[in-house]
Amino acid sequence: EVQLLESGGGLVQPGGSLRLSCAASGFTFSRYAMSWVRQAPGKGLEWVSSISGSGSSTSYADSVKGRFTFSRDNSKNTLHLQMNSLRAEDTAVYYCPRVGPQDDFDYWGQGTLVTVSS
Amino acid sequence: SSELTQDPAVSVALGQTVRITCQGDSLRSYYASWYQQKPGQAPVLVIYAKNNRPSGIPDRFSGSSSGNTASLTITGAQAEDEGDYYCNSRDSSGNHYVFGTGTKVTVL
Repeated sequence: EVQLLESGGGLVQPGGSLRLSCAASGFTFSRYAMSWVRQAPGKGLEWVSSISGSGSSTSYADSVKGRFTFSRDNSKNTLHLQMNSLRAEDTAVYYCPRVGPQDDFDYWGQGTLVTVSS
Repeated sequence: SSELTQDPAVSVALGQTVRITCQGDSLRSYYASWYQQKPGQAPVLVIYAKNNRPSGIPDRFSGSSSGNTASLTITGAQAEDEGDYYCNSRDSSGNHYVFGTGTKVTVL
């Protein structure tokens, strides 16, 4: 059974940093690209970033480029999202869905809440 | 354009059919996938690669596409189908993903 478990969320001040993690299990981790998708309170879904199976290729939404860094450790089946220079508009639930073979997001975790506020 | 536009809300009588649309230039080049989200829960994939259902998704859900518009149809809507629905695809450059604005479905 595919399982994705996000962690690391919390309250951080504007300008601060936070590191999210996502632990994956139930599939051959290194064979799949992964992504981060966020949802601000009461708002829609927003794609944040994706990483290839090997970790050699990443892409970012313009809203986070230069501030967020997506990495993976295939030996530990873990993803990390390093978030720097956080802004109030980064407040959201962050999900780490798997990118399926047909370029969709086929499995999702329950998400972790990031709140940026003073 | 990198946007995917959906109607904000639709309603459907119990047992009737409802179609949700998603419009965007990138849909001329890339398939759409569709996600159902209920309050307080993570999204669930219901349709991928235009008209394929993951295991466990009822066959009342179907997808289609024409030109710059993708559609999700629920045939014989049930009370448990209430929720928010989002389309997703690549943007026009193919380098990024983009989600639709979302449609709230109410079953009357």
